[in-house]
Amino acid sequence: DQQVKQNSPSLSVQEGRISILNCDYTNSMFDYFLWYKKYPAEGPTFLISISSIKDKNEDGRFTVFLNKSAKHLSLHIVPSQPGDSAVYFCAARGNAGNMLTFGGGTRLMVKP
Amino acid sequence: GAVVSQHPSRVICKSGTSVKIECRSLDFQATTMFWYRQFPKQSLMLMATSNEGSKATYEQGVEKDKFLINHASLTLSTLTVTSAHPEDSSFYICSGGGGSENYGYTFGSGTRLTVV
Repeated sequence: DQQVKQNSPSLSVQEGRISILNCDYTNSMFDYFLWYKKYPAEGPTFLISISSIKDKNEDGRFTVFLNKSAKHLSLHIVPSQPGDSAVYFCAARGNAGNMLTFGGGTRLMVKP
Repeated sequence: GAVVSQHPSRVICKSGTSVKIECRSLDFQATTMFWYRQFPKQSLMLMATSNEGSKATYEQGVEKDKFLINHASLTLSTLTVTSAHPEDSSFYICSGGGGSENYGYTFGSGTRLTVV
């Protein structure tokens, strides 16, 4: 049973436009959410996170929105750049032991 | 910022041999180290959680006798794949967690294991 889902396996966006990556979760005990960017054969790179007590966190071009009632979070990248092309994973912390549960990832392609 | 150094980045080994992967937290104390596995085009799946000085906790379906985890110090955790088989070929990644949330659970660069 997937507790964290990223329903879009891929997303294509034009350079300069907004990229919106979505993530849904089922476990209401998750208290902390993170977004990672990953290139093939590399470890994930932390982008931005949000605590469950907040509904928005912004860092430069990256903004994460959390809708607890809908159990949904999204990552907005604006403006999108070709260098943003990668696989993006959302992750949630909760349950026992502070471990992270990852979504399946969304491949973002930003076209010049 | 927090850095986790993972070695080796790539390893090819023969079936039946053992391979050790190391993860070191360079500028913070990782009281907890998480070990993940990623198959091609799939998500990261948690294999086990290791806590410094105690036994690792393995996820369901992960053989603890095959994937030996040692977390002897606050800065070093190792994963040893014993008697490797081709189906163990995968991308293994560690993450230092449990510390400040500002570290964002820093990941190592991963190890591509190929068993031939």
